[in-house]
Amino acid sequence: NAGVMQNPRHLVRRRGQEARLRCSPMKGHSHVYWYRQLPEEGLKFMVYLQKENIIDESGMPKERFSAEFPKEGPSILRIQQVVRGDSAAYFCASSHDIGASGNTIYFGEGSWLTVV
Amino acid sequence: DAKTTQPPSMDCAEGRAANLPCNHSTISGNEYVYWYRQIHSQGPQYIIHGLKNNETNEMASLIMTEDRKSSTLILPHATLRDTAVYYCIVRVLQGAQKLVFGQGTRLTINP
Repeated sequence: NAGVMQNPRHLVRRRGQEARLRCSPMKGHSHVYWYRQLPEEGLKFMVYLQKENIIDESGMPKERFSAEFPKEGPSILRIQQVVRGDSAAYFCASSHDIGASGNTIYFGEGSWLTVV
Repeated sequence: DAKTTQPPSMDCAEGRAANLPCNHSTISGNEYVYWYRQIHSQGPQYIIHGLKNNETNEMASLIMTEDRKSSTLILPHATLRDTAVYYCIVRVLQGAQKLVFGQGTRLTINP
C-alpha cells in the first residue's frame, strides 16, 4: 500500500505569491489532517477534513490559508500572498473512519515551503 | 494543549533497551495513548497505541500502569536509527480526532 503522498516535497515561493500543497491520503482513508512545523518548533495542528467537509479548522490562521478535500482528487492546502513567516514544513496525515479500536493516523513525508 | 508530560531528553546506549516514560494523569476512560516518533526532517511515524492493556508490535512495547495515569514505551534493542523525538499523545475516540503534539522526548542513541 502506498503511504500518504505529498507534493511537492520542496517549494520555493517569493513573497506575495501563492503556494499550493497537495496530499493524497492512503488508500481507503477518508479523513485528512494538516499540520505545520516551523523551524526548530513542534508540530501544530491546522485543519481536519473529511471528503468535501471541514470538520475542525481551529488551528488555521484566519487569513490567507484555506484547505479543501474534494470528492475526487487530493486534499489541497492553499496559502495566498505568502510571507517569510510561512516558511515551514507542512505535514499531511490521513486515517480511515473511526473504529472501536481507535483509528490510527499516518503521516506523509511533508512539504517544505521556503518563502524568499 | 497536550495532556501528557515527557522528559525533554534522554540518552541510551546502542543495543540497550530504551525506556521512555510518559505521564497522563488526567486521561479519561475513552482515551487512547499513542506513540509517534519524528526522525529529523521526516514525517512523524506511528509506533504503537493502547487503551488499557500492554501492547507489543515489531517496533516497540507499550506498558500501561494499572490506573492508566502513566505509560512507558520500550524499544528493546535500540539502534542509532532510533535517534528521534518521541511523542506520547492522548487521543479521545469520539469527536475531533486530531493528534495534539507536545514537545516530546529527544532520544539520542549513543554508539
